[in-house]
Amino acid sequence: GENVEQHPSTLSVQEGDSAVIKCTYSDSASNYFPWYKQELGKRPQLIIDIRSNVGEKKDQRIAVTLNKTAKHFSLHITETQPEDSAVYFCAAGNNFNKFYFGSGTKLNVKP
Amino acid sequence: DVKVTQSSRYLVKRTGEKVFLECVQDMDHENMFWYRQDPGLGLRLIYFSYDVKMKEKGDIPEGYSVSREKKERFSLILESASTNQTSMYLCASSLMGAVEKLFFGSGTQLSVL
Repeated sequence: GENVEQHPSTLSVQEGDSAVIKCTYSDSASNYFPWYKQELGKRPQLIIDIRSNVGEKKDQRIAVTLNKTAKHFSLHITETQPEDSAVYFCAAGNNFNKFYFGSGTKLNVKP
Repeated sequence: DVKVTQSSRYLVKRTGEKVFLECVQDMDHENMFWYRQDPGLGLRLIYFSYDVKMKEKGDIPEGYSVSREKKERFSLILESASTNQTSMYLCASSLMGAVEKLFFGSGTQLSVL
């Protein structure tokens, strides 16, 4: 099956700085890569995703890049704000909706 | 707005008890999932179902079973709860083929004493 590794496990940045979270996957059949944000005590929410036919996708301060050859993808958050503090999960999956999640990154944005 | 509802937010059970975790979704989704969330381990798939009475094992099915008698309801069963099943359990649902629309419930924090 798929194996998704996520780094770092914790990340602390100053407000206004950028944050980068990296994930690798093992199954070349995976073609869909979502990122979820989970605030303390709340359910995970999809924040951005990318499909394997695209190399980069951006949505305001959030961007995701995908390198299919190297089997890794990354989340980039620019101009971080305190409300970006949360746990972020990457995932890899295929069209059948079965996702494999990374272990999570706890992002702390210091005001 | 899609609603995925888990019956309990917090649950405390004794070792050896049979435990039922219930999940209901109101959007006619074909797919339903049960995940377990532990610090440092992320979300691990226990079981999923893509239709009524259909189920498939995820990555960590041992000690669990599931039931899907109706499309809107997916139950996770711990036949004989053990302390290592203390965890946060998350239910999720999605439409078949709508791979980008995975909706999560609020979670059930289960403590087995």
